[in-house]
Amino acid sequence: QVTLRESGPALVKPTQTLTLTCTFSGFSLSTSGMCVSWIRQPPGKALEWLALIDWDDEKYYNTSLKTRLTISSGTSKNQVVLTMTNMDPVDTATYYCARGSSRTFDSWGQGTLVTVSS
Amino acid sequence: NFMLTQPHSVSASSGKTVTISCTRSSGSIASNYVHWYQQRPGSAPIIVIYVDNQRPSGVPDRFSGSIDSSSNSASLTISGLKAEDEADYYCQSYDSTTPVVFGGGTKLTVL
Repeated sequence: QVTLRESGPALVKPTQTLTLTCTFSGFSLSTSGMCVSWIRQPPGKALEWLALIDWDDEKYYNTSLKTRLTISSGTSKNQVVLTMTNMDPVDTATYYCARGSSRTFDSWGQGTLVTVSS
Repeated sequence: NFMLTQPHSVSASSGKTVTISCTRSSGSIASNYVHWYQQRPGSAPIIVIYVDNQRPSGVPDRFSGSIDSSSNSASLTISGLKAEDEADYYCQSYDSTTPVVFGGGTKLTVL
């Protein structure tokens, strides 16, 4: 059974750096074709793709946010970490991680709401 | 880069059929698979159609997907609408430089 769980701060201040961790089980990110992606959703708005790490450690970023994002495999083999710098109130959103197989996201975490406010 | 455009909202009566479109702005819709996700309020998205027209196990056969190259669009069709189908639906595709592109989402209302 594949599971993913997002963890991180619920509240960050403007200009701070956000660090989110996706802890997963039931699959190996080193399996060919696998990936983990971060996707966010501001309240009442659409899904927005942020970043993706592939099974071969190739990384991809949303071009409009690329300068602020870093995705990496965590210290544990079953974790993926996303950092986003210079947080702003417009970054308030629910942040999801999702498992992808050949770019099909078949398992999602429950999401974690991050509020940016002073 | 390309965009996927969906209607903001659609509605249909219970028991009827509704189709949600997803139009690709550049590049061929047939070049890369299209996937569809359902998101109910307060929940994470779940996949309902993958690789254009395949249904994951557990998704009713009332859900179907298709591709139309002439309009450069993909479609999600839900027949025999039920109240439980009321949700937001997102299409998703990719290309060689951008691994994930989501459509803007469509709110389905079952009357």
